[in-house]
Amino acid sequence: AQSVTQLDSQVPVFEEAPVELRCNYSSSVSVYLFWYVQYPNQGLQLLLKYLSGSTLVKGINGFEAEFNKSQTSFHLRKPSVHISDTAEYFCAVSRGGSTLGRLYFGRGTQLTVWP
Amino acid sequence: EAQVTQNPRYLITVTGKKLTVTCSQNMNHEYMSWYRQDPGLGLRQIYYSMNVEVTDKGDVPEGYKVSRKEKRNFPLILESPSPNQTSLYFCASSLSGDLAIYEQYFGPGTRLTVT
Repeated sequence: AQSVTQLDSQVPVFEEAPVELRCNYSSSVSVYLFWYVQYPNQGLQLLLKYLSGSTLVKGINGFEAEFNKSQTSFHLRKPSVHISDTAEYFCAVSRGGSTLGRLYFGRGTQLTVWP
Repeated sequence: EAQVTQNPRYLITVTGKKLTVTCSQNMNHEYMSWYRQDPGLGLRQIYYSMNVEVTDKGDVPEGYKVSRKEKRNFPLILESPSPNQTSLYFCASSLSGDLAIYEQYFGPGTRLTVT
């Protein structure tokens, strides 16, 4: 089974500051990587995904993530956060192929943006 | 409006009393999946379905059953609920062609308490 580690359970940050949410995964073989966001009392929403190609992936709401195969990482970044970015963020991974449809999530990082 | 609906949204029940949580989508998606979300554990996949009459186990299938008789519906059945199944449950759906499977649309969640 895949293992996804989100290194920080909580990240507090002030508005307009940059933020990085860290994610590491266990497999060294080809994987597909995702970040989902969950706003309070809502379901999850896809923020961005890495399937292949450029290692720098841009998503919605100004977020981006960089796939680093050698470090098995997929950290999420935003140069300037807003109050509205307060939410829980989940990193997820899949190996595709015969396990297409299996999605493994990390434990989540609660991002809180303070004014 | 394109959406995934779940019913009920909240449910309190007693140990051993069979229950069904319904999930329905109006987007003609082939793929559907159930997850449970527990504090500090993130989301864990229970079952998923690549298409009608095709279902597969996820990470935590024990104590749950599913069926996929129609494309739009994917009910989650707890034959004999136990307190360790107290959780927040999410249904999700997506197209299954190529890697579109990872553009999952999530329902609003069902909060289940088993006493």
